[in-house]
This record gives sequence, C-alpha cells and structure tokens, in this order.
Amino acid sequence: DADVTQTPRNRITKTGKRIMLECSQTKGHDRMYWYRQDPGLGLRLIYYSFDVKDINKGEISDGYSVSRQAQAKFSLSLESAIPNQTALYFCATSRGHGYNEQFFGPGTRLTVL
Amino acid sequence: DAKTTQPPSMDCAEGRAANLPCNHSTISGNEYVYWYRQIHSQGPQYIIHGLKNNETNEMASLIITEDRKSSTLILPHATLRDTAVYYCIVRVVLPGTASKLTFGTGTRLQVTL
Repeated sequence: DADVTQTPRNRITKTGKRIMLECSQTKGHDRMYWYRQDPGLGLRLIYYSFDVKDINKGEISDGYSVSRQAQAKFSLSLESAIPNQTALYFCATSRGHGYNEQFFGPGTRLTVL
Repeated sequence: DAKTTQPPSMDCAEGRAANLPCNHSTISGNEYVYWYRQIHSQGPQYIIHGLKNNETNEMASLIITEDRKSSTLILPHATLRDTAVYYCIVRVVLPGTASKLTFGTGTRLQVTL
C-alpha cells in the first residue's frame, strides 16, 4: 500500500465551488506539505505543517486553506475555485529533521471550468 | 535559498552514464544540494543530497565542485525508466525549520535506445 495517498486523484469542478483535497500518510511523519504544479513549471509550495498545531503559509497560499486534522491527515481546501487553480496538486511528508527527504503522494489533477 | 540553473533538456543513450549539471553560484556555506526527479506527472522522488563531499547511493552519484558553485548528478547506467524531469534544489537546513523545497523547471532527461 502507498505510504502517502491523495483523494480524489482527478476532479473536475466549476468556478465558485468549494473543493477539498485530502492527503493521508502512514509513514508516521510530523511534517506535511501541499504543492501545486502547473504545466511546464516546477512545484510551488502552498502550505506546510510541522505538526497538528502548526500551520504555515507557503509561497502561493492565497485562495487556499488547510486543515491538519491529525498527524496523518492534511487537507487542502479551495473555498471558491477559480480556473487559474487548475493544476496538479501534490501532498508530501517528511520526518522532523530538516535534511530528510520528502515523500510525495501520487497527485490530484484538478480542473476548474 | 540559492537559485539554481539547469539545462532544460538532455538526451542519453540507454546503458550510458547520464550526467546532469546544475549551477548554483550563489550557494552559501550552510546550503545543501538536493536532487529529485519526477516521472511523467507522478509525485517527485528523492534521489540524493550533499553538502560538500561527493555522495553515492543505489540510485546515483552526486559530484559537488570544490567551490560548491555547481554540481553534477550522475546516473551510471541510464535505462528507459530513468526518463524524467530532474530537479536540482539548494536549500538551508536548520534544526527545527521546515523542509521546504523550491522546485525550478528542472532538466528533462530523455533516455533512448
């Protein structure tokens, strides 16, 4: 079974709808991250969390919110989706120490019409 | 975090070594060099990282120049499954800080028969 899972894997929605993307991990890691990737571009950090009580904005947090419901779960919400939020979204986890690698989920492809 | 410069694309024959360069001329003393790869829209995968010394693991070798202004990722015997976008990332690692990764656009490596 995958260590980092994301649901849904694909989603098509309309402008103005509220969307939640979910991420779960079985790696026991403290730190979790949400990234987005646009075609032909690298990944950009949206939000990250050190633990359940710690949430931090990344470089492109506007229009997004997150919830860390438990150590193993980190959800990303688009309160009112807009077309330029169409992208591939990745969740990642890492252990507490900064030099450790990040483990990525399989991604969620979101299309906002 | 220091910026990196990578060639947008490279080709390599299967079975040959793939040498992927990365320039990070503004790197500072406490910044590590990381390499990740992304195979066709899957989640990025950690490959290797280093600070000063050359590093080797089961996937690749990392050669960092003495002045640390550039590095080379070496895949010793490239296979078709190594076709991917390779990201060189430079970042500070401090105790208690987030393991944020800033991805650029990377190098698209195409391994051919």
